[in-house]
Formats: sequence, structure tokens, C-alpha cells
Amino acid sequence: KQEVTQIPAALSVPEGENLVLNCSFTDSAIYNLQWFRQDPGKGLTSLLLIQSSQREQTSGRLNASLDKSSGRSTLYIAASQPGDSATYLCAAWGSSNTGKLIFGQGTTLQVKP
Amino acid sequence: EPEVTQTPSHQVTQMGQEVILRCVPISNHLYFYWYRQILGQKVEFLVSFYNNEISEKSEIFDDQFSVERPDGSNFTLKIRSTKLEDSAMYFCATRSLHTEAFFGQGTRLTVV
Repeated sequence: KQEVTQIPAALSVPEGENLVLNCSFTDSAIYNLQWFRQDPGKGLTSLLLIQSSQREQTSGRLNASLDKSSGRSTLYIAASQPGDSATYLCAAWGSSNTGKLIFGQGTTLQVKP
Repeated sequence: EPEVTQTPSHQVTQMGQEVILRCVPISNHLYFYWYRQILGQKVEFLVSFYNNEISEKSEIFDDQFSVERPDGSNFTLKIRSTKLEDSAMYFCATRSLHTEAFFGQGTRLTVV
């Protein structure tokens, strides 16, 4: 049974700092891995999708990597801004065609001005 | 930009009542999902739906729950005889064959 864990649970950094969020999963036979952002009381906004054949994806100041063999993914945020403050969730796609997502508990990021 | 639309944004219902949560998927998407997030907990998978039938469901998705696409566009989640522990944020998600999953803004269900 796939389990996804995110460390740390919370992170507070000063504006401008580069940071890394970690995600680990127990079953390396994942199909894809997706990172989301969730603002308080809001829905999930997709940030990046890494397909199983890929090792990383980049979008603006965000870079996500995937290492299936070690069961890890990281989300790198460059030059953090107060507007980046949110909860970041990673989710592993199951290997079946249904594509259900198994979520981690999230990392709540606070970027201080 | 296309988006998944959910209604209502907030629903308050009495215990034992039935509720229907609605979702309008992105138009060319083929796979549909419902997830829920109890306050302070992980987002949990409920059910996936493809080709007009359930393709997978979790242990949470028991006989109290049902899904359908009544008119080929809307995708609904029905919860019969609601319980206090059904209070949560319910998210609809959709995707096409090789794309990421897109989530709606959620329906906050409060059972009193």
C-alpha cells in the first residue's frame, strides 16, 4: 500500500531564501508524481507533474525532481516570496490506469517579509 | 484557463439528510475523481470514474456514497443519510489521458 510522507510539516523562512521541500513514498512503482499548492480553506492548485519517465520538471522559480529508486521527490523554490506562503502537497499517482492520487500530509510554508 | 467548477461552495445539512455535490469537469477530460479532506488531515481518495462507471473506490466509499454523470457534463457525488463524521471539504478532480489532475475549489460540507 502506497504511503506518502512529507518533511518538514512546517517551515518558516525569510524572504529571498531558496528552500527544498521533501516528499517520500513507499512504493517505487508509481506512475507519476504531482505537486500542489493549497491556500487556507481553498482548493488544490497543480504546480508540477513529473511523469514516471522524467527526473525533473521546472516552472518559473519551481523545480521538482523525482528519484523513483530511492522513493523521493523534492520541490525546490528559488528566491522565496511572501506570496509563496501556503501548504505544499505532493501526491503519488498509483500505477493502475485509474490514476488515483495518494497524498502526503503537506508542508506548510511561511515566508516572512 | 479551463477550470473544474464545484457547487455549492458550502453546504450545511442536518444529520441523516441526503446531499448532492456537483462538479463541472474540464470539457475534454475523461477521468473524474472525488476526494475529501477532513479538517487538519490528509486529502483522501474516494472514487474514480471513467467511461461512465466507477473504476476504483476506497474503503471510505461505502453504500452511503454514489456517483454519476446524469447529463454527460455534470459529475455528482451523492451522500445518503449524512453523519457528523462526513463533515469535510470535498474536492472534484478531472484529467485527460496524459495530463495532470486538476482540482476544483471544493465544497465544504458541514453536518450538524
